[in-house]
Amino acid sequence: AAGVIQSPRHLIKEKRETATLKCYPIPRHDTVYWYQQGPGQDPQFLISFYEKMQSDKGSIPDRFSAQQFSDYHSELNMSSLELGDSALYFCASSPNRGPITGELFFGEGSRLTVL
Amino acid sequence: AQSVAQPEDQVNVAEGNPLTVKCTYSVSGNPYLFWYVQYPNRGLQFLLKYITGDNLVKGSYGFEAEFNKSQTSFHLKKPSALVSDSALYFCAVRVYSGGGADGLTFGKGTHLIIQP
Repeated sequence: AAGVIQSPRHLIKEKRETATLKCYPIPRHDTVYWYQQGPGQDPQFLISFYEKMQSDKGSIPDRFSAQQFSDYHSELNMSSLELGDSALYFCASSPNRGPITGELFFGEGSRLTVL
Repeated sequence: AQSVAQPEDQVNVAEGNPLTVKCTYSVSGNPYLFWYVQYPNRGLQFLLKYITGDNLVKGSYGFEAEFNKSQTSFHLKKPSALVSDSALYFCAVRVYSGGGADGLTFGKGTHLIIQP
């Protein structure tokens, strides 16, 4: 079965650079979530999109932005990178915005290292 | 706001013994509770969920969890642990607010170590 695809899997950037992470949800899933997991931390919710519109916002820094495109894939743009942005970034998708099925399906993550 | 607590950073169990990973929650409405497992440098894999109905929920890989409303707990259990169960386990809660794509709120995670 198709899963959530994230790219790139690994990314190394310098401080103050920009980075873009991509997420391709499971086919027919219309809702996408972004999470950040620092070393030894639990995943922290950043932002979500439903039907190409921002739906909910968590602890996403102002330096970050995201969008969902017409094909439902999503991109997380990170600017003025800081050392503390080094983390595993997960994308998850679900087939609807409500809790009818409930679970989110996670990708393998994109590991960002800021030097 | 909802929250999840996993009181143990690490749980050690001998292979073949039963295991329990604890989780308690705090929500203002009806909780939707989940367990996920994470292997090193991998994504989170869904194990099981409680939405409504039977308090004992069965999931993947022989895991089960018991929803206890009076104790606001959702402990993960397995009758006989395997070395391959060693991983990081996250409890999560989701509350439907009627607006927005509600994500999951995770606990801090519990490292489960199964000793041969």
